[in-house]
Amino acid sequence: SQKIEQNSEALNIQEGKTATLTCNYTNYSPAYLQWYRQDPGRGPVFLLLIRENEKEKRKERLKVTFDTTLKQSLFHITASQPADSATYLCALMEYGNKLVFGAGTILRVKS
Amino acid sequence: DAMVIQNPRYQVTQFGKPVTLSCSQTLNHNVMYWYQQKSSQAPKLLFHYYDKDFNNEADTPDNFQSRRPNTSFCFLDIRSPGLGDAAMYLCATSREGGHMNTEAFFGQGTRLTVV
Repeated sequence: SQKIEQNSEALNIQEGKTATLTCNYTNYSPAYLQWYRQDPGRGPVFLLLIRENEKEKRKERLKVTFDTTLKQSLFHITASQPADSATYLCALMEYGNKLVFGAGTILRVKS
Repeated sequence: DAMVIQNPRYQVTQFGKPVTLSCSQTLNHNVMYWYQQKSSQAPKLLFHYYDKDFNNEADTPDNFQSRRPNTSFCFLDIRSPGLGDAAMYLCATSREGGHMNTEAFFGQGTRLTVV
């Protein structure tokens, strides 16, 4: 099965800067890849989905890229705000509706 | 309006005493998932349903069972909870994988404490 790797070190950035988070996977390229936000003590909330034939997807201040050659997705938050501080999880769907997650990267935005 | 509801939010159970966690959904999704999440770790998939078709992960202990009596409800039964089963349990739903929009919707989770 897939192994999903996200940077285990927290990312600390200054308000207004762009945060970039990385998700790498090990095996076959999935048909699509998803990003979620998780706040402490709460369930993850869906943010964006990108398909294998899409290089880039945007939603407001969020941007996701998907490089099947590198087996990597990048997640960007532009003009970051303290309210963006959370854990960001990468997920992909394996065969048979099996949705698997990475451990996530903690983002801290300081004002 | 909450679309995936988990009850209770917090559950304290005694070591070895069976416990049931519940999940309900108003989205009419045919896929439902149960995840276990420990601090600073990835949500770990325990099992999932596609309609009534049950899919157990190979490394899910036999101590964990599940029931899905209808589309809207799903239960997680822990037959003999151990201290290592203390975690957040997350229920999620989605449309099937071939659909255009297959994002998962999560409940708020149930925090299980074993004493």
